[in-house]
Amino acid sequence: LAKTTQPISMDSYEGQEVNITCSHNNIATNDYITWYQQFPSQGPRFIIQGYKTKVTNEVASLFIPADRKSSTLSLPRVSLSDTAVYYCLVGDRYNFNKFYFGSGTKLNVKP
Amino acid sequence: GAVVSQHPSRVICKSGTSVKIECRSLDFQATTMFWYRQFPKQSLMLMATSNEGSKATYEQGVEKDKFLINHASLTLSTLTVTSAHPEDSSFYICSARDSSGGSGELFFGEGSRLTVL
Repeated sequence: LAKTTQPISMDSYEGQEVNITCSHNNIATNDYITWYQQFPSQGPRFIIQGYKTKVTNEVASLFIPADRKSSTLSLPRVSLSDTAVYYCLVGDRYNFNKFYFGSGTKLNVKP
Repeated sequence: GAVVSQHPSRVICKSGTSVKIECRSLDFQATTMFWYRQFPKQSLMLMATSNEGSKATYEQGVEKDKFLINHASLTLSTLTVTSAHPEDSSFYICSARDSSGGSGELFFGEGSRLTVL
């Protein structure tokens, strides 16, 4: 199982771009990378998923280098409401194997 | 999008009683669901994998007789905390994936806050 490592916390200001990097050195060939956002007392919410290169949706971008041993979640122009814990998960997209959460990154957005 | 619903969202019980938490996939079928537990300011910890029509598989250190899991249908899994004690107070979260494939996304419920007095 690919273990993930993220910074414990990050600080940012409103309107800035935030990049959160996750290391997953032993990612397997069939593994996808998925990022989730969690607010206090809520279940995690899907942000974005990717396999390689770059993926973009309406809320974030995901950058994955060629070796896939890391990934970077990019949040453009964060607001106070983006203050949350962000988790990256690595696992096979279609085989129903288990997903283990790492420590996550607590993003604090300041006014 | 696909939704996973948990009930109840909050429950308070006395020590020694049992509490059941339900997890439903509302618009997809899930042969496999996962139960997590989260203590304050900590990450989610996988407790067990719930398999429709068969026994759940538990992570190391999780007591299967303490946390009973039943996955009787393709849309419902239940977690029963038996003889609950204050140390069982936690935030319990279930998740599920669409058995038909779809995006492969793992959907999470809203969580259930258990407080044992």
